[in-house]
Amino acid sequence: QQPVQSPQAVILREGEDAVINCSSSKALYSVHWYRQKHGEAPVFLMILLKGGEQKGHDKISASFNEKKQQSSLYLTASQLSYSGTYFCGTESETSYDKVIFGPGTSLSVIP
Amino acid sequence: SQTIHQWPATLVQPVGSPLSLECTVEGTSNPNLYWYRQAAGRGLQLLFYSVGIGQISSEVPQNLSASRPQDRQFILSSKKLLLSDSGFYLCASPSRTEAFFGQGTRLTVV
Repeated sequence: QQPVQSPQAVILREGEDAVINCSSSKALYSVHWYRQKHGEAPVFLMILLKGGEQKGHDKISASFNEKKQQSSLYLTASQLSYSGTYFCGTESETSYDKVIFGPGTSLSVIP
Repeated sequence: SQTIHQWPATLVQPVGSPLSLECTVEGTSNPNLYWYRQAAGRGLQLLFYSVGIGQISSEVPQNLSASRPQDRQFILSSKKLLLSDSGFYLCASPSRTEAFFGQGTRLTVV
């Protein structure tokens, strides 16, 4: 089952913050986050494993709440280069190594 | 680290023609390999995944097939393409520490 992402799209001005959410109906082992620019392959941002961890990547960080089967991606002080489509990919506890991607969240950062 | 090579980068094929897309992996052994398809403006749809030579799992019924003849080679094929097969095809190797994608093949069926 495909994870659900929200919002579908968001427009930010440079310097603003955003949160992208990803939730699943299945018990999760891991959550992956990627960013894709138009016409290019997705670029890996981070993986969060079961254990409720939080990770950071410059001004982009993420949390994983395994009890709620949810993950959130936090983008702070957004830059123009953050524009793109963000996908979460989930790996369930019962289906190791099979990563199913969400439908994506389109993020546009404007000056 | 791993590198995934995928070719060709773009392909225009007539309806009813065959298809063969190849993906090879460098820098690791026994990777899990995936084929995804992305229709224009849409998300990534998992088509096939493989955990080893000759082991293929299909996620959606379709006229595509996949094969894994060697440890680091993953092939996506079709005997007769349909218009609906158009899209951006990505080979990927996600793991517990990092995920790698090929650069993708943009297929247009005309």
